[in-house]
Amino acid sequence: NAGVTQTPKFHILKTGQSMTLQCAQDMNHGYMSWYRQDPGMGLRLIYYSAAAGTTDKEVPNGYNVSRLNTEDFPLRLVSAAPSQTSVYLCASSAPLVLVSSYNEQFFGPGTRLTVL
Amino acid sequence: GESVGLHLPTLSVQEGDNSIINCAYSNSASDYFIWYKQESGKGPQFIIDIRSNMDKRQGQRVTVLLNKTVKHLSLQIAATQPGDSAVYFCAENLANQAGTALIFGKGTTLSVSS
Repeated sequence: NAGVTQTPKFHILKTGQSMTLQCAQDMNHGYMSWYRQDPGMGLRLIYYSAAAGTTDKEVPNGYNVSRLNTEDFPLRLVSAAPSQTSVYLCASSAPLVLVSSYNEQFFGPGTRLTVL
Repeated sequence: GESVGLHLPTLSVQEGDNSIINCAYSNSASDYFIWYKQESGKGPQFIIDIRSNMDKRQGQRVTVLLNKTVKHLSLQIAATQPGDSAVYFCAENLANQAGTALIFGKGTTLSVSS
């Protein structure tokens, strides 16, 4: 298994441009999430999806996602702003089977995005 | 805002020493706490987790302690090695979130010198 893969690894955008960050997993995980990581801030949840066809946002404005199938969870920046400069991490985990359990999240290597 | 935080942004130790990384949380509704390790240029990797009904859990060279009274979580690494150098994050999983939405602390950078 490749696990969680993300493309591209690096990208530079100009303010106002749009872009889609790709995330894919081959572990048949139901849950997928997007985080952004900024220096000194830890990881902050942007969006998550519990299953194909569903999404739930944590942070509105500037981001959009789709979950058309189990494997892919692309994150779209509609009109990029410098405040969106960050490292974007995608994660997946298996659906919760037991209420008392926790399923480990597997992270991709990240996309480092700079908005000028 | 974030409810999970770490006491120190950096920690420097000598190879062979034991390392203790601390974390404070504020959400009593969290049912799982997780420690992640992130090496440069990589995504976070799971180290160990602990359920809220436990006080201690041990793994290979790592121990996590949970003190619910003071809402404190710690990660102990025995016989620290240069390969342990990384950023360590604690995270909490809110009950009913099914492990899909973690709240992360700001991270502690562990530097191990030989």
